[in-house]
Amino acid sequence: AQKVTQAQTEISVVEKEDVTLDCVYETRDTTYYLFWYKQPPSGELVFLIRRNSFDEQNEISGRYSWNFQKSTSSFNFTITASQVVDSAVYFCALPNRDDKIIFGKGTRLHILP
Amino acid sequence: DGGITQSPKYLFRKEGQNVTLSCEQNLNHDAMYWYRQDPGQGLRLIYYSQIVNDFQKGDIAEGYSVSREKKESFPLTVTSAQKNPTAFYLCASSIGYGSYGYTFGSGTRLTVV
Repeated sequence: AQKVTQAQTEISVVEKEDVTLDCVYETRDTTYYLFWYKQPPSGELVFLIRRNSFDEQNEISGRYSWNFQKSTSSFNFTITASQVVDSAVYFCALPNRDDKIIFGKGTRLHILP
Repeated sequence: DGGITQSPKYLFRKEGQNVTLSCEQNLNHDAMYWYRQDPGQGLRLIYYSQIVNDFQKGDIAEGYSVSREKKESFPLTVTSAQKNPTAFYLCASSIGYGSYGYTFGSGTRLTVV
């Protein structure tokens, strides 16, 4: 069965530091998608990225980057030069065979001014 | 603008009462979902519906009920049988396939008093 593990429950860093959020997944599928969502204090989950398992290139979007390592079943998320507005809970996710998305338990990120 | 509207944002319920949480979407999405979020638990699926007049139980359906009479609407009723209903409830929708990701509402925080 699909499983997503986010081992870091909570992380605190000082503003402008870089921070990496880890995500390890389990799947028996050869083709799959992975997601990252951000949940700010307002509560709504905001989509950040969708990655196809065929595409192992790293993705960069401004200060955000994602490292997909199929060999280690990891899909890690790095924020460069963190800002206070990055404070949120971040979820890694993976659709299961019923096409429902399985979420990790999330990592709460605190960016300290 | 298209999106998902959840109401109310905050809801207080006395023990023994049923309450209904509203979820409306104007994205023309076929599938809709209800998740419950507790601290440290991540998101747990309550019910989902992939088509009008049809819905399935998720992982924690006991004490909850839903209906899907219209494509746009997927209300969740928290019944008195739910022993610990205090939580944050999130509604989501998708075009029908989890691999495309979900769009989330802003959530309803339910507190039993």
